[in-house]
Amino acid sequence: DQQVKQNSPSLSVQEGRISILNCDYTNSMFDYFLWYKKYPAEGPTFLISISSIKDKNEDGRFTVFLNKSAKHLSLHIVPSQPGDSAVYFCAAIAPLNSGYALNFGKGTSLLVTP
Amino acid sequence: KAGVTQTPRYLIKTRGQQVTLSCSPISGHRSVSWYQQTPGQGLQFLFEYFSETQRNKGNFPGRFSGRQFSNSRSEMNVSTLELGDSALYLCASSFTGPSLGSYNEQFFGPGTRLTVL
Repeated sequence: DQQVKQNSPSLSVQEGRISILNCDYTNSMFDYFLWYKKYPAEGPTFLISISSIKDKNEDGRFTVFLNKSAKHLSLHIVPSQPGDSAVYFCAAIAPLNSGYALNFGKGTSLLVTP
Repeated sequence: KAGVTQTPRYLIKTRGQQVTLSCSPISGHRSVSWYQQTPGQGLQFLFEYFSETQRNKGNFPGRFSGRQFSNSRSEMNVSTLELGDSALYLCASSFTGPSLGSYNEQFFGPGTRLTVL
């Protein structure tokens, strides 16, 4: 059962505009969320994270917003650049068995056009 | 600092065979996690090893197994391969692995692309 959901498989945005990638989760026990970026033929790389005690975290052009009541987070990229074209994965640190694991969404493929 | 390396990068097997994939973590990292990436399911957690012990396991059949050596290098094995095992297998290393309330960054390797015919 997918506990982290990225309902948009793809998104196309013009260079210079804002990209908004969305993510929903179902488990209220999740308390730390992350975004990863993945280029073809490479492994995912960590982009930005947010703890559940915050509602916003900003790092340069990237901002993650968390709405705990709606169990929703979003990643904003402003301004978008062609090099941002990649697959973006939302993930949550989730309890699993006696420990914790990263629980990923299926990813959103972002295309930034010149 | 060298990144996470995975070998081989590409592999083609036939149904019923077995396969072993290797992952060398970043020096000093003791946690190695394995993930399976498929177009339909995204990234799914297979298992995590820490100091040569399997610390956690995802919802995969027993055909999927792994181990970790004293130098933190890890291998995963898939026996009796099925067509549905075709996927990108990623490993990730970190100092201590995921924990509640904080994030110990996981660094991913480039993956091994397994094709089962």
